[in-house]
Parts: sequence; C-alpha cells; structure tokens
Amino acid sequence: DAGVIQSPRHEVTEMGQEVTLRCKPISGHDYLFWYRQTMMRGLELLIYFNNNVPIDDSGMPEDRFSAKMPNASFSTLKIQPSEPRDSAVYFCASSPGQGLNTEAFFGQGTRLTVV
Amino acid sequence: KQEVTQIPAALSVPEGENLVLNCSFTDSAIYNLQWFRQDPGKGLTSLLLIQSSQREQTSGRLNASLDKSSGRSTLYIAASQPGDSATYLCAGTNLGSNFGNEKLTFGTGTRLTIIP
Repeated sequence: DAGVIQSPRHEVTEMGQEVTLRCKPISGHDYLFWYRQTMMRGLELLIYFNNNVPIDDSGMPEDRFSAKMPNASFSTLKIQPSEPRDSAVYFCASSPGQGLNTEAFFGQGTRLTVV
Repeated sequence: KQEVTQIPAALSVPEGENLVLNCSFTDSAIYNLQWFRQDPGKGLTSLLLIQSSQREQTSGRLNASLDKSSGRSTLYIAASQPGDSATYLCAGTNLGSNFGNEKLTFGTGTRLTIIP
C-alpha cells in the first residue's frame, strides 16, 4: 500500500476563497483523522471518522470548516471562506482501529497558505 | 480530558550517547501509546506502538516503555546518530464512551539534535 495520500502538497490561496483538501486513507483502515499543525498550537485534532461516519467534530474551529467521507477510500476537508489564520499544515491519518491495533499512519500533509 | 506533555521541548546530545525522551499523560485510562518522528517539513512517521496489554516495545536502537500508573512513557535511543535529529512526538489513545471510538491526543514534541 502506498500509505495515506494527501493532495495537494501545497496550496496558496487568497483570503475568502474556498479551499478543498483531499485524503486517501490506507485500504482497510476503519478510522480517518484530520489534524492541523501550527507552531503555536502544535497538532490539533479537527475531526475523525469511523467507517465513513463522523464521530467527533468538536475540534473543527468554525462553521467555515467542513469534512466529508463519501466512501471508505476518500475524504475531503473544506474551508469556505478561507482566512489568513487558517494557514497551517493539515494532516490526514488513518488507522485500523480494531481491538488493540490503533496504530495511526499519517500522510505527508498539505501546507496551506492563505494570503 | 487527556492531556499529554513532553519535556524538554528541545534537547541536544553528542553523537554516540544514549538518551531518553519523556512523555507524561494525565488520564491513566490511556489505551495505547504511540511514538512518532517528524522531520522538518515532513509528515509523521510511526516509530513504536505500545498496546494496552504491553509495557514496552523495541525496534532496533529504539525502546519505548509505558507505565500507566505513573502516567509516563519514555523513548530510549541507544548510540545516537546525526540522522536521529528530528522532532519526536508521543500520542495517547483513549477509548470513547463506546468501544472503538478512539482518538489520538498528541504531546507538543521534543526537538532532538544530535551533534556530530
């Protein structure tokens, strides 16, 4: 398996524009997580899914953020409208999440810059 | 709410020395604990996962231990090398109200520099 795949790797957009980040988890993993990483706040969990169903979205900062997982192999994180303070690296991770095996694997991240 | 702390935030060690990185957590009901490595501008690479029934895990020069009663985990690196320079993060998994609703809580990381 190629691991967790995120796209794009880098995104530069103007304030007010819509941004969509994409993630393909490892095949067979039941859990998918979206994290945001900044120097000030470190790694923050935004939302996670179990079998395509959102379980906990309490980390989503505002209504401008939304996430979907239409099927087991694809998820999106959308920011509309984007603001400069959304600039960060966004990571997607997946894990089998069954029984004792909760080892999480991360993608390479999307570096978002909102100007 | 689980809180994970890593101290120190940064550590510099001469090449060849053994070293220990520390991770503390507040909720002893932690399920699993995972150690990651992050290189600058890169994603997180999983190093070791200590499962609920285990007390330690070893991979090559790395050894991680977990003591739930004291709320601590350590990552031991033997015979350090310049290539070990990176940020090391620990993350705990707690079960939610329903079995299977796990989520990772991360520490803030320790930035390790191995001096040649």
